[in-house]
This record gives sequence, C-alpha cells and structure tokens, in this order.
Amino acid sequence: EVQVLESGGGLVQPGGSLRLSCAASGFTFSSYAMRWVRQPPGKGLEWVSAISAGGGTTYYADSVKGRFTISRDNSKNTVYLEMNNLRAEDTAFYYCAKIAVAGSSGYGMDVWGQGTTVTVSS
Amino acid sequence: DIQMTQSPSSVSASIGDRVTITCRASQGISSWLAWYQQKPGKAPKLLIHAASSLQSGVPSRFSGSGSGTDFTLTISSLQPEDFATYYCQQANSFPLTFGGGTKVEIK
Repeated sequence: EVQVLESGGGLVQPGGSLRLSCAASGFTFSSYAMRWVRQPPGKGLEWVSAISAGGGTTYYADSVKGRFTISRDNSKNTVYLEMNNLRAEDTAFYYCAKIAVAGSSGYGMDVWGQGTTVTVSS
Repeated sequence: DIQMTQSPSSVSASIGDRVTITCRASQGISSWLAWYQQKPGKAPKLLIHAASSLQSGVPSRFSGSGSGTDFTLTISSLQPEDFATYYCQQANSFPLTFGGGTKVEIK
C-alpha cells in the first residue's frame, strides 16, 4: 500500500523549534518530489514547502522562508521539515504529500498522510 | 504569486443535484490545475489532475474542465458521500496556491 506517515508535531513555545518527519512506503520514494501542506484550525489549505526527488531543489512559501528547511533522506524513505523560530501563525495541521506523477509537479498530490498537529503557544 | 479564487464559498444542494464549482487563476496556468475533496478530520483527496483527468478510483460523476484561467469542477449527481469541502490548486509554478475552498452542504 502506498502511504506516507507524518510524525513530530506537538506544542512548542513561540520562537521554538520542531522537526517533522514523513515516512513513505509502497512506492519508489527516490523518484517522487514531496510537499508539505498545512491547514490552520478551521481554515483552508496552504502549501508550505517542496523538495525534488533527488533533494537538490527546494521551494518555500514566503511565510516560512528563512525559518523552515525541507530535506529528505532517500535511503530512509523519509522527508523532513525543520521548523525554527516558530510563530503563533504557524499553528496548523501539517500534511506530507507525494506528487502524483514522477518527474512532473503539474499533476497535483495523490497521496497524503494523516497529518500532524503543530501548536505554537506560550 | 498566482491567486486562486473559488466560487461559491459554500453551496447547499440536495441528493441528485448537479453542482458546479468554479476556480479562477490570476494568470494563465495552462491545464496545471488539481481539485481535491476534503472531509472533516481527513486529509485532502485528489479528484482531478491536469484540469480534466479523473484520478484513479474517483467516481465518474466528478468531472473537471477549463484551461488558462477559468476552471470548473462538476458533480453530475450529488451523492451523500460528496458532502465535503472542495479545493482547487494551481500546479503551474511555485509558490503553489490553493483556492479558498467550497463547502458543499446538505440542503
């Protein structure tokens, strides 16, 4: 079964850090770009970050640029999101997602995890 | 950044109704548009990719159309399991952006 499973969320104080992990299985992980998408409580979806299949190219939303770092370990079938200097507005449900078509980012995200909650509060 | 504007933000419909949701991009995105369905407490589910291609396993009552800046998602005959929130997402360029969502509610 093709799946991704996020972990690492939790409660953190403003200015703190967290590292999210996303473990993939059931597909050739090293062939697919990966994405992080978040959803604040009761609100819509917001793309956060993306990483190419090989890990050499990364993208970030302006709202997290300079604070978040995406990376991947293809030997462990895992993608990470290192989040620093967290703010209250980063409070959200964070999803990891796989792009639908290897080699092309134009086809959307076809496999999503169940998400992990990040709460930034003092 | 490409802004995605969805309308309506909510729609009330009955079982069997035809429902149409529109999504407009602030600039041309060719056919690089995806539609997702999200139910409460669940992850989004990909319905349509490349504007009009039905994702594997998605019922044929769902269809997508459009190119350039204007897109539509149509549910031809609304079923009980279709009550959810629907999002469009442009996949043309980074930063990726989503529409604000359309909640389909029971009338």
